[in-house]
Amino acid sequence: AQKVTQAQTEISVVEKEDVTLDCVYETRDTTYYLFWYKQPPSGELVFLIRRNSFDEQNEISGRYSWNFQKSTSSFNFTITASQVVDSAVYFCALSEAGTGRRALTFGSGTRLQVQP
Amino acid sequence: GAVVSQHPSRVICKSGTSVKIECRSLDFQATTMFWYRQFPKKSLMLMATSNEGSKATYEQGVEKDKFLINHASLTLSTLTVTSAHPEDSSFYICSARILGSGVYNEQFFGPGTRLTVL
Repeated sequence: AQKVTQAQTEISVVEKEDVTLDCVYETRDTTYYLFWYKQPPSGELVFLIRRNSFDEQNEISGRYSWNFQKSTSSFNFTITASQVVDSAVYFCALSEAGTGRRALTFGSGTRLQVQP
Repeated sequence: GAVVSQHPSRVICKSGTSVKIECRSLDFQATTMFWYRQFPKKSLMLMATSNEGSKATYEQGVEKDKFLINHASLTLSTLTVTSAHPEDSSFYICSARILGSGVYNEQFFGPGTRLTVL
């Protein structure tokens, strides 16, 4: 069965620090998708990135970057030069293509607090 | 981009009443919609998968008679919490999977509905 683990429950940093959020996943499927979402206090999920299992290229988008390593089943997310507006709960999620389970399996989330 | 709406965004009701939550895909068709539940400071847990024109598939431990799901069209799914009790208070989020997205499985989330049962 699929599983997503976010071991960091809460992280607190000072503005301008870099921070990495860890995500480890488990799946027996060879074709799957990994996601990161941001959930601000309003509750609405903000889509950040989607990566398929065949694309191990790291990605950078502004201050955000993602490191996907199939060898360690990890999909880590780094925020460079963090800002107060980055404070939110971040979820890593997985969906499997081969098993037919189309719903996302979410990790437990990491609450990021960026202090001014 | 694809937009999913939920209505209402927030609802407060008395214990024993039923509450209906709507999930609509505004600019695309969705054969499948998913309903998630999120307790405070917890993760999102899948409750059920809703397929247009057929019965919903519920996750283990979710009472189908308690959480009625109807997916009457390719753009609308509804979740009715029947005889709501305080323990049903939660944040309910739907997502809609684009028709024809196949293994690519492209789906979008609604903004969520916060239910408070007094």
